[in-house]
Amino acid sequence: DTAVSQTPKYLVTQMGNDKSIKCEQNLGHDTMYWYKQDSKKFLKIMFSYNNKELIINETVPNRFSPKSPDKAHLNLHINSLELGDSAVYFCASSLQGKANEKLFFGSGTQLSVL
Amino acid sequence: AQSVTQPDIHITVSEGASLELRCNYSYGATPYLFWYVQSPGQGLQLLLKYFSGDTLVQGIKGFEAEFKRSQSSFNLRKPSVHWSDAAEYFCAVVFGSGNTGKLIFGQGTTLQVKP
Repeated sequence: DTAVSQTPKYLVTQMGNDKSIKCEQNLGHDTMYWYKQDSKKFLKIMFSYNNKELIINETVPNRFSPKSPDKAHLNLHINSLELGDSAVYFCASSLQGKANEKLFFGSGTQLSVL
Repeated sequence: AQSVTQPDIHITVSEGASLELRCNYSYGATPYLFWYVQSPGQGLQLLLKYFSGDTLVQGIKGFEAEFKRSQSSFNLRKPSVHWSDAAEYFCAVVFGSGNTGKLIFGQGTTLQVKP
């Protein structure tokens, strides 16, 4: 069983569209994250949720809206997609959300905005 | 500013050769240090971590890393590289406190292994 799974793996779309990426973890962890990896491989945190509550909200355009229906799921909805949104988006989870905990990552969603 | 620096963007080694990947961090870092590996098309996987105690830590896949406080470094090593080690390697460091601090990743080092 995959511990952290996200779908889709690839997403190609036009500028201006709205798209969603889904993430699920079966580890029983309390905290889930969204990270963005740009073309230079920089990995930067976007959001974290602990038990459905937003904990970290980095400087991310409000076109990005995370939603956590329960602690096992964290989805990312992006409105009005722009060229600069093209990147690989990783979902991750950790046991309690402490900064020094091991992170478990999904395999990523490669988003290409044309 | 809080930063983690991996000076080598790209490294190529021959299979069977030894490997060292460098990682340095700025002032303000806690002693919570990590190395993650990202294989092509995959998410990141934890290789090893240092929290306290012996400054030489062992990880999975035969990797080890040494914490040197005086040099603000946490370099990753492997005595003999295998072709399957070709991947992207990320150093990550917690700034602030271990519980509520912030995890910052370096920009990664791409390892290529020659046959």
